[in-house]
Amino acid sequence: GEDVEQSLFLSVREGDSSVINCTYTDSSSTYLYWYKQEPGAGLQLLTYIFSNMDMKQDQRLTVLLNKKDKHLSLRIADTQTGDSAIYFCAERGYQKVTFGTGTKLQVIP
Amino acid sequence: EPEVTQTPSHQVTQMGQEVILRCVPISNHLYFYWYRQILGQKVEFLVSFYNNEISEKSEIFDDQFSVERPDGSNFTLKIRSTKLEDSAMYFCASSPMEGGHQPQHFGDGTRLSIL
Repeated sequence: GEDVEQSLFLSVREGDSSVINCTYTDSSSTYLYWYKQEPGAGLQLLTYIFSNMDMKQDQRLTVLLNKKDKHLSLRIADTQTGDSAIYFCAERGYQKVTFGTGTKLQVIP
Repeated sequence: EPEVTQTPSHQVTQMGQEVILRCVPISNHLYFYWYRQILGQKVEFLVSFYNNEISEKSEIFDDQFSVERPDGSNFTLKIRSTKLEDSAMYFCASSPMEGGHQPQHFGDGTRLSIL
């Protein structure tokens, strides 16, 4: 079945860039997503990328996709304390979305 | 911006009881989903629903679970004979159409606690 893996924890200093990495197994994935979850809150869609793209930039967010290696990354430039949250990588199959384990980003002031 | 709303935000139920979780998807969306997240674990797909029927479901979605769109706005998840292990955050999501190019928009979730 589909599997999405992420590292569990990342700590960065405020103002630095954060890079959150993700690997997935489903070669038929068409879209890959990044969701943000703050404590006690729902899943907020941050950005997504189509599988025929290799990069997408949206303000402070840059998504890189290496389809050959099935590797996705999310770079957050100038990381702020408000970016502290859990970030989920997810891939879209037929209908369901398969989520990774989530990476907890801690931003140190 | 339109959003998916879920009620209640927290539901506490005795083991063995039935519970109904409610969702109001975004109004022009056609596809509806339920996911759950057991504390500290992954978000897991439960079921997708389109045109008044289930279009895909996971192995988690057994006979204990059912979904319904009772009217033009609500989408419900019913869990019968709740068990302790049903305690989780349940997320509803909707998308305007099928296909990965329309991402699913999630509600804030209902935290279900089974005692």
